Amino acid sequence: NAGVTQTPKFQVLKTGQSMTLQCAQDMNHNSMYWYRQDPGMGLRLIYYSASEGTTDKGEVPNGYNVSRLNKREFSLRLESAAPSQTSVYFCASSRTEGQFFGPGTRLTVL
Amino acid sequence: EDQVTQSPEALRLQEGESSSLNCSYTVSGLRGLFWYRQDPGKGPEFLFTLYSAGEEKEKERLKATLTKKESFLHITAPKPEDSATYLCAVKKAAGNKLTFGGGTRVLVKP
Repeated sequence: NAGVTQTPKFQVLKTGQSMTLQCAQDMNHNSMYWYRQDPGMGLRLIYYSASEGTTDKGEVPNGYNVSRLNKREFSLRLESAAPSQTSVYFCASSRTEGQFFGPGTRLTVL
Repeated sequence: EDQVTQSPEALRLQEGESSSLNCSYTVSGLRGLFWYRQDPGKGPEFLFTLYSAGEEKEKERLKATLTKKESFLHITAPKPEDSATYLCAVKKAAGNKLTFGGGTRVLVKP
Protein backbone atom coordinates (compact mmCIF):
# COMPACT_ATOMS: atom_id res chain seq x y z
CA ASN A 1 0.00 0.00 0.00
CA ALA A 2 1.26 3.47 -0.89
CA GLY A 3 -0.81 5.07 1.89
CA VAL A 4 -1.43 8.77 1.18
CA THR A 5 0.25 10.24 -1.90
CA GLN A 6 0.49 13.91 -2.88
CA THR A 7 1.54 15.66 -6.06
CA PRO A 8 3.48 17.75 -6.74
CA LYS A 9 6.21 17.65 -4.08
CA PHE A 10 7.37 21.21 -4.83
CA GLN A 11 5.77 24.12 -6.66
CA VAL A 12 6.64 27.77 -7.26
CA LEU A 13 3.85 30.11 -8.36
CA LYS A 14 3.60 33.78 -9.16
CA THR A 15 0.99 35.89 -7.39
CA GLY A 16 -2.37 35.44 -9.11
CA GLN A 17 -1.63 32.07 -10.68
CA SER A 18 -3.84 29.09 -9.96
CA MET A 19 -3.03 25.49 -9.25
CA THR A 20 -4.47 22.27 -7.88
CA LEU A 21 -2.79 20.04 -5.32
CA GLN A 22 -3.66 16.39 -5.71
CA CYS A 23 -4.09 13.81 -2.95
CA ALA A 24 -4.99 10.13 -3.12
CA GLN A 25 -5.23 7.35 -0.53
CA ASP A 26 -5.46 3.61 -0.97
CA MET A 27 -6.52 2.68 2.57
CA ASN A 28 -10.27 2.82 1.87
CA HIS A 29 -10.67 5.65 4.41
CA ASN A 30 -13.87 7.66 4.48
CA SER A 31 -12.46 10.95 5.81
CA MET A 32 -9.82 13.12 4.17
CA TYR A 33 -8.22 16.41 5.19
CA TRP A 34 -6.06 19.27 3.94
CA TYR A 35 -3.72 21.07 6.33
CA ARG A 36 -1.13 23.77 6.01
CA GLN A 37 1.96 23.93 8.21
CA ASP A 38 3.77 27.20 8.87
CA PRO A 39 6.65 27.96 11.24
CA GLY A 40 5.30 29.00 14.63
CA MET A 41 1.69 28.26 13.62
CA GLY A 42 1.64 24.48 13.69
CA LEU A 43 -0.71 22.41 11.55
CA ARG A 44 -3.97 24.15 10.66
CA LEU A 45 -6.96 22.53 9.00
CA ILE A 46 -8.03 24.10 5.70
CA TYR A 47 -10.88 21.81 4.59
CA TYR A 48 -12.00 18.31 5.30
CA SER A 49 -14.31 15.71 3.81
CA ALA A 50 -16.04 13.33 6.20
CA SER A 51 -17.18 11.10 3.34
CA GLU A 52 -17.43 11.00 -0.42
CA GLY A 53 -19.60 13.84 -1.63
CA THR A 54 -19.25 16.06 1.45
CA THR A 55 -16.79 18.83 2.29
CA ASP A 56 -16.56 21.28 5.19
CA LYS A 57 -14.47 24.30 6.07
CA GLY A 58 -11.73 24.04 8.62
CA GLU A 59 -9.86 26.74 10.50
CA VAL A 60 -8.31 28.60 7.52
CA PRO A 61 -10.44 28.03 4.36
CA ASN A 62 -10.19 31.48 2.75
CA GLY A 63 -8.50 31.43 -0.66
CA TYR A 64 -8.96 27.69 -1.15
CA ASN A 65 -11.48 25.33 -2.71
CA VAL A 66 -11.65 21.54 -2.52
CA SER A 67 -13.15 18.68 -4.47
CA ARG A 68 -13.75 15.16 -3.18
CA LEU A 69 -13.59 13.47 -6.55
CA ASN A 70 -14.30 9.97 -5.23
CA LYS A 71 -13.48 7.98 -2.10
CA ARG A 72 -9.77 7.89 -2.96
CA GLU A 73 -9.08 11.44 -4.14
CA PHE A 74 -9.33 14.87 -2.52
CA SER A 75 -7.90 17.91 -4.30
CA LEU A 76 -7.12 21.41 -3.06
CA ARG A 77 -7.29 24.36 -5.46
CA LEU A 78 -5.80 27.82 -5.17
CA GLU A 79 -7.70 30.04 -7.60
CA SER A 80 -5.49 33.13 -7.28
CA ALA A 81 -2.35 32.43 -5.29
CA ALA A 82 -1.07 35.00 -2.79
CA PRO A 83 2.30 35.16 -0.98
CA SER A 84 0.46 34.42 2.29
CA GLN A 85 -0.29 30.96 0.88
CA THR A 86 3.41 30.06 0.85
CA SER A 87 3.44 27.00 3.08
CA VAL A 88 3.78 23.24 3.28
CA TYR A 89 0.51 21.50 2.52
CA PHE A 90 -0.37 18.09 3.92
CA CYS A 91 -3.20 15.77 2.99
CA ALA A 92 -4.39 13.17 5.48
CA SER A 93 -6.99 10.43 5.67
CA SER A 94 -8.66 8.50 8.48
CA ARG A 95 -11.28 5.80 8.94
CA THR A 96 -11.91 5.76 12.66
CA GLU A 97 -9.20 7.15 14.91
CA GLY A 98 -5.76 8.30 13.88
CA GLN A 99 -5.09 10.40 10.79
CA PHE A 100 -2.42 9.28 8.33
CA PHE A 101 -0.50 11.95 6.48
CA GLY A 102 1.03 12.26 3.04
CA PRO A 103 4.58 13.51 2.39
CA GLY A 104 3.51 17.11 1.75
CA THR A 105 3.72 19.73 -0.99
CA ARG A 106 6.06 22.67 -0.48
CA LEU A 107 4.49 25.70 -2.18
CA THR A 108 6.16 29.05 -2.69
CA VAL A 109 4.19 32.02 -4.02
CA LEU A 110 6.33 34.88 -5.29
CA GLU B 1 -11.87 27.89 22.33
CA ASP B 2 -9.92 24.64 22.07
CA GLN B 3 -6.24 25.02 22.86
CA VAL B 4 -3.28 22.67 22.76
CA THR B 5 0.06 23.83 24.16
CA GLN B 6 3.26 21.83 23.97
CA SER B 7 6.36 22.38 26.06
CA PRO B 8 9.20 22.78 25.79
CA GLU B 9 9.48 24.11 22.24
CA ALA B 10 12.89 22.47 21.87
CA LEU B 11 14.80 19.83 23.81
CA ARG B 12 18.45 18.83 23.48
CA LEU B 13 19.36 15.49 25.02
CA GLN B 14 22.43 13.35 25.28
CA GLU B 15 22.00 9.79 24.10
CA GLY B 16 20.60 7.80 27.02
CA GLU B 17 19.29 10.87 28.87
CA SER B 18 15.59 10.22 29.52
CA SER B 19 13.11 13.10 29.46
CA SER B 20 9.43 14.01 29.07
CA LEU B 21 7.47 16.21 26.70
CA ASN B 22 4.28 17.91 27.84
CA CYS B 23 1.02 18.52 26.00
CA SER B 24 -1.59 20.50 27.92
CA TYR B 25 -5.06 20.98 26.48
CA THR B 26 -8.37 22.68 27.04
CA VAL B 27 -11.19 21.13 25.04
CA SER B 28 -14.80 20.38 25.77
CA GLY B 29 -15.60 16.71 25.39
CA LEU B 30 -12.26 15.11 24.59
CA ARG B 31 -12.67 12.18 22.23
CA GLY B 32 -9.00 11.37 21.86
CA LEU B 33 -5.47 12.71 22.21
CA PHE B 34 -3.00 11.84 19.48
CA TRP B 35 0.79 11.85 19.34
CA TYR B 36 2.71 12.13 16.08
CA ARG B 37 6.38 12.15 15.11
CA GLN B 38 7.52 14.38 12.25
CA ASP B 39 10.92 14.16 10.58
CA PRO B 40 12.25 17.14 8.57
CA GLY B 41 10.69 17.34 5.12
CA LYS B 42 8.15 14.59 5.84
CA GLY B 43 4.56 14.28 6.93
CA PRO B 44 3.59 13.50 10.53
CA GLU B 45 3.72 9.82 11.44
CA PHE B 46 1.05 8.47 13.77
CA LEU B 47 2.33 7.14 17.12
CA PHE B 48 -0.47 6.80 19.69
CA THR B 49 -4.08 7.55 20.50
CA LEU B 50 -5.15 7.96 24.14
CA TYR B 51 -8.82 8.08 25.04
CA SER B 52 -9.23 8.44 28.79
CA ALA B 53 -7.39 9.69 31.87
CA GLY B 54 -5.04 7.09 33.28
CA GLU B 55 -4.44 5.41 29.94
CA GLU B 56 -0.85 4.62 28.91
CA LYS B 57 0.63 3.36 25.64
CA GLU B 58 4.16 2.32 24.75
CA LYS B 59 6.17 1.90 21.60
CA GLU B 60 9.87 1.07 21.82
CA ARG B 61 11.45 3.91 23.88
CA LEU B 62 8.29 6.04 23.87
CA LYS B 63 5.53 6.00 26.47
CA ALA B 64 2.49 8.26 26.37
CA THR B 65 0.26 8.99 29.36
CA LEU B 66 -2.94 11.00 29.74
CA THR B 67 -4.56 12.97 32.55
CA LYS B 68 -7.67 15.15 32.45
CA LYS B 69 -5.64 18.23 31.52
CA GLU B 70 -2.42 17.04 29.91
CA SER B 71 -0.48 14.28 28.28
CA PHE B 72 3.16 13.35 28.61
CA LEU B 73 5.42 11.65 26.11
CA HIS B 74 8.29 9.99 27.96
CA ILE B 75 11.41 9.14 26.00
CA THR B 76 13.47 6.53 27.83
CA ALA B 77 17.20 6.22 27.03
CA PRO B 78 16.83 8.07 23.72
CA LYS B 79 18.97 7.36 20.69
CA PRO B 80 19.96 9.81 17.92
CA GLU B 81 17.28 8.29 15.67
CA ASP B 82 14.66 9.57 18.12
CA SER B 83 15.50 13.11 16.99
CA ALA B 84 12.34 14.59 15.45
CA THR B 85 9.50 16.99 16.15
CA TYR B 86 6.77 15.46 18.29
CA LEU B 87 3.24 16.77 17.79
CA CYS B 88 0.15 16.25 19.90
CA ALA B 89 -3.42 16.85 18.80
CA VAL B 90 -6.89 16.56 20.33
CA LYS B 91 -10.23 15.55 18.89
CA LYS B 92 -13.51 16.76 20.35
CA ALA B 93 -16.50 14.51 20.96
CA ALA B 94 -18.33 16.10 18.05
CA GLY B 95 -16.75 16.07 14.59
CA ASN B 96 -13.66 14.68 12.91
CA LYS B 97 -11.31 17.62 13.28
CA LEU B 98 -7.99 17.60 15.11
CA THR B 99 -6.48 20.62 16.86
CA PHE B 100 -2.68 20.46 16.91
CA GLY B 101 -0.13 21.88 19.30
CA GLY B 102 2.98 23.67 18.07
CA GLY B 103 5.26 20.68 18.59
CA THR B 104 8.46 19.94 20.52
CA ARG B 105 11.71 19.62 18.53
CA VAL B 106 13.88 16.93 20.07
CA LEU B 107 17.57 16.59 19.26
CA VAL B 108 19.44 13.60 20.68
CA LYS B 109 23.22 13.87 20.47
CA PRO B 110 25.44 10.78 20.49
